[in-house]
Amino acid sequence: GNSVTQMEGPVTLSEEAFLTINCTYTATGYPSLFWYVQYPGEGLQLLLKATKADDKGSNKGFEATYRKETTSFHLEKGSVQVSDSAVYFCALSLDTGRRALTFGSGTRLQVQP
Amino acid sequence: DTGVSQDPRHKITKRGQNVTFRCDPISEHNRLYWYRQTLGQGPEFLTYFQNEAQLEKSRLLSDRFSAERPKGSFSTLEIQRTEQGDSAMYLCASRDSSGNTIYFGEGSWLTVV
Repeated sequence: GNSVTQMEGPVTLSEEAFLTINCTYTATGYPSLFWYVQYPGEGLQLLLKATKADDKGSNKGFEATYRKETTSFHLEKGSVQVSDSAVYFCALSLDTGRRALTFGSGTRLQVQP
Repeated sequence: DTGVSQDPRHKITKRGQNVTFRCDPISEHNRLYWYRQTLGQGPEFLTYFQNEAQLEKSRLLSDRFSAERPKGSFSTLEIQRTEQGDSAMYLCASRDSSGNTIYFGEGSWLTVV
């Protein structure tokens, strides 16, 4: 079946530090890959996505590259801010059928001033 | 605002009572999803609609759960005879027929006491 594995949190960083959150996946077929962010008490917001191998998704200083050979989609940001503190979810969807998302368990990021 | 909206945002109910959540998807999005999210976990797929047809239900959706989308627009999720284990956030999401991006609402928090 399809699954997503994320590094466990919390990840605690100082402001302006470099961020990496690891994500690997298992899928039948060729998935699209997503990162969603969830702020406390809120729903999920799409952060970025990539639909095919070697695509790079980027938004708000965050980046992730679709690596088919390592089945990975690691999230990176060069300089985090306190406002980036949230839970980050990696997810995949297949490009056929219902295209529902399969999520990882989430990684909490805490950025300290 | 033309995003996915959910109502109510918070619901506290006594065990054994029935509750109903409503979701209004993004206008013209004919695909609609319900997910459940418990603390510290990623969202889990519950059910999927294409227009008014409910095409798939997860095994997580017990007989006490029912979802409808009578006119292919808004959707309701009803939980009968609530149990403490039903306490979670219920997320609604939608997408259009051609896109692969799923947009989420703010979620409806359910607490069963």
